[in-house]
Amino acid sequence: KQEVTQIPAALSVPEGENLVLNCSFTDSAIYNLQWFRQDPGKGLTSLLLIQSSQREQTSGRLNASLDKSSGRSTLYIAASQPGDSATYLCAVRPEAAGNKLTFGGGTRVLVKP
Amino acid sequence: DGGITQSPKYLFRKEGQNVTLSCEQNLNHDAMYWYRQDPGQGLRLIYYSQIVNDFQKGDIAEGYSVSREKKESFPLTVTSAQKNPTAFYLCASSIGGYGNQPQHFGDGTRLSIL
Repeated sequence: KQEVTQIPAALSVPEGENLVLNCSFTDSAIYNLQWFRQDPGKGLTSLLLIQSSQREQTSGRLNASLDKSSGRSTLYIAASQPGDSATYLCAVRPEAAGNKLTFGGGTRVLVKP
Repeated sequence: DGGITQSPKYLFRKEGQNVTLSCEQNLNHDAMYWYRQDPGQGLRLIYYSQIVNDFQKGDIAEGYSVSREKKESFPLTVTSAQKNPTAFYLCASSIGGYGNQPQHFGDGTRLSIL
């Protein structure tokens, strides 16, 4: 059974510092991996989707890498801002599961001004 | 604007009562999903539907029921059989139930027990 882990559960950094968020998964047979942002009491906003054949995806200050064989993904956020404060969740789509996603528990990020 | 609308935003349930959470999308997506989120945890799949008049159980379907009579609507009923219903419920949709399409989420409904 696929399990997705995000460590640490919470992270606090000063404004301007680069953020590094980790995601690990136990079964490398995945179709894709998706990173989401969740603000308190809100739904999820999709940030980046990496196909299993890709090594990374970039969007503005965000860069996500994928190492399928080792079961790891990392989300980098450059030059963090207070507006980046949120919970970040990763989710994998296992190969044999249609479009069902398995989520990690999230990393709660606080960027201090 | 295209998107997913969940209502109500907050819902309270009495003991022994069934309650229904609404999810409507105008994205013309075929697939829809219901997730449950408990504090400090990730999302767990309750039910999903890949096409109208069809739905499948997710990982935690017990105590829940759904219907998919229209493409744009996927209501979730939390029955009295669900003994621990307090959670944040999120609805999502995607273009198809297969393929590499991202899921798009609504803003959620928070359910509490009175």
